[in-house]
Amino acid sequence: KNEVEQSPQNLTAQEGEFITINCSYSVGISALHWLQQHPGGGIVSLFMLSSGKKKHGRLIATINIQEKHSSLHITASHPRDSAVYICAASPSAQKLVFGQGTRLTINP
Amino acid sequence: KAGVTQTPRYLIKTRGQQVTLSCSPISGHRSVSWYQQTPGQGLQFLFEYFSETQRNKGNFPGRFSGRQFSNSRSEMNVSTLELGDSALYLCASRLQGTDNEQFFGPGTRLTVL
Repeated sequence: KNEVEQSPQNLTAQEGEFITINCSYSVGISALHWLQQHPGGGIVSLFMLSSGKKKHGRLIATINIQEKHSSLHITASHPRDSAVYICAASPSAQKLVFGQGTRLTINP
Repeated sequence: KAGVTQTPRYLIKTRGQQVTLSCSPISGHRSVSWYQQTPGQGLQFLFEYFSETQRNKGNFPGRFSGRQFSNSRSEMNVSTLELGDSALYLCASRLQGTDNEQFFGPGTRLTVL
């Protein structure tokens, strides 16, 4: 079993829909990261959180430390949100363990 | 401020050769981490350098090595290339502390024939 599991693996939705991507981890962490990867490979760090909730524009990330679970939400989704979203856990300060990614497609 | 740069962006090598990839972090960033991304294994941590010292290492064979220079630029080297080493190699930099966000470079796509 992977140390970091994401669901769903693939998600297709219509523009405007509310999107939720889930991440469960089995390791102790110092932080949990959400990353976005567009076709071509470039990765952008969306959030780094160790407790509670963070919001940036239409993106919201939450984490429940006791349940070892995090969610990434996208409100009012748009085709430009189409990308692979990756959850990564930091079991130690310098290391990241990655989930397999969720491929999100938003249709106009 | 310039972002993380990686050179070269694309590289084709043959089995048995060795390769050196370069990463220049954002100015002022002292930590550089390297990752390998393949379709089968996804993203995997290779190693992390801070102030010219390797602080952490992933589960990769000794053919994978790296170093960091006094200006924080980092190189990774893969010797005796295998077909399975074909991957996107990403580096990421951050200021120094453990709680700082990482900034990723565009990656080097290595193809081993």
